Amino acid sequence: AQSVTQPDIHITVSEGASLELRCNYSYGATPYLFWYVQSPGQGLQLLLKYFSGDTLVQGIKGFEAEFKRSQSSFNLRKPSVHWSDAAEYFCAVGPYGGSQGNLIFGKGTKLSVKP
Amino acid sequence: EAGVAQSPRYKIIEKRQSVAFWCNPISGHATLYWYQQILGQGPKLLIQFQNNGVVDDSQLPKDRFSAERLKGVDSTLKIQPAKLEDSAVYLCASTLWGGGPSYNEQFFGPGTRLTVL
Repeated sequence: AQSVTQPDIHITVSEGASLELRCNYSYGATPYLFWYVQSPGQGLQLLLKYFSGDTLVQGIKGFEAEFKRSQSSFNLRKPSVHWSDAAEYFCAVGPYGGSQGNLIFGKGTKLSVKP
Repeated sequence: EAGVAQSPRYKIIEKRQSVAFWCNPISGHATLYWYQQILGQGPKLLIQFQNNGVVDDSQLPKDRFSAERLKGVDSTLKIQPAKLEDSAVYLCASTLWGGGPSYNEQFFGPGTRLTVL
């Protein structure tokens, strides 16, 4: 069965420090992988996505993620965190192709940023 | 380009009452999704529409939840009667029709936060 695991429920980092949020997935085929961010009271905003090709993908707000097939991972990174990055982050996996199918989300990692 | 619109933003009801949520997707988006996000969890798909047809409703509790998208544009999700465990944020998302990876990107609305007392 398809699943997404985000091992860290809550992470606190200092402003300016680097960040890595972990995501592992279980999927029978080549997945589409996504990272979304959700600020309090807001909907989900797509940070970046991986479909194929270069395994290091760049997203908005200075985020990047690396797809590692051998580890079934898609970890999100940012070299220097800003206070405005405090939010909840969701990793998601989707089936191949088109508009059919749905996204399976992890339970999320809440990021707090210390001044 | 306007985003996905949802209303109301907040709703508080007593258990056993009924409630309805409305979603208007991005113009031209043929696929519409309703997700349920319980506190501390990721969104879970309830139902997916392609135009006005249902593609996937396998996780919709059909004894109390219903959804429609009669004209293939906006959609309504209803709960009747509500239970305490229905307290959650209900998210609507939409995506373009068609094949190819770029069309799998979902755009989410701000959600409706439901509290059942």
